[in-house]
Amino acid sequence: GQSLEQPSEVTAVEGAIVQINCTYQTSGFYGLSWYQQHDGGAPTFLSYNALDGLEETGRFSSFLSRSDSYGYLLLQELQMKDSASYFCAVRGDTGGFKTIFGAGTRLFVKA
Amino acid sequence: EAGVAQSPRYKIIEKRQSVAFWCNPISGHATLYWYQQILGQGPKLLIQFQNNGVVDDSQLPKDRFSAERLKGVDSTLKIQPAKLEDSAVYLCASSRGVFSTGELFFGEGSRLTVL
Repeated sequence: GQSLEQPSEVTAVEGAIVQINCTYQTSGFYGLSWYQQHDGGAPTFLSYNALDGLEETGRFSSFLSRSDSYGYLLLQELQMKDSASYFCAVRGDTGGFKTIFGAGTRLFVKA
Repeated sequence: EAGVAQSPRYKIIEKRQSVAFWCNPISGHATLYWYQQILGQGPKLLIQFQNNGVVDDSQLPKDRFSAERLKGVDSTLKIQPAKLEDSAVYLCASSRGVFSTGELFFGEGSRLTVL
C-alpha cells in the first residue's frame, strides 16, 4: 500500500522561508507531487519530482530523496496569499499508477 | 483550454437518498479520477479510469458507490443509498495519462451534505 506523513500545521511570518516535509511509504514509486489548496477551492498543482534533487519554480522549490523516501516543499519570500493547505502526493508504479495524497499541512502566514 | 467541469457544485440530501455527480475532463485527457475529500483531510482516491476502463477502485465502497466513464470522456459518480459519513467534497481530476508528469487537473468539486 501507500501512505504519506506530513506535519499538520506550520506557521511562519511574511517574507520568511518555510519547509514542509513529507515522508512516504509505497510498494512502488513513480514520483512525488505537491499541491496547494485554498479554503473552498480545488487543489492546484505546484511541482513534481521523479528523480532525486531539487526542482525550482519561482518562489517554490521541491526536493526528493528516493533512497530516504522523503521530500519537501520550500516556499520562499512568503506572502499572505500563501496561507493554504499543502498536500504531498505519491504516484506508485503499481495499481494503475494511482496518486495518493497525504493529509495535508495547513500553512498560516502572519504579517 | 477549458478546465475540468463538475456539477452540481452543491447538493443536500437526506440519508438513504441517492445522488449523482457529473464530470467532464479536459479534452484529450486519458486518465480520470474521483476523489473524496472530507473536511480537514486529504483527497482520498475512490476510482481511477484510463480511457473508459477502471484501473483502480480498491477504495470505492462498492455496496453504495458506483462510477462509470462512458466513451472514455464524461464520468458520473453515484451514491445510493447515502450515509451521513458520505458528507464530503467529491473532486474530479484528469491527467494526460499515467506516464505524464504527474500533474492532475482538478475541478471545483461537488460538495455533498447528507442530513
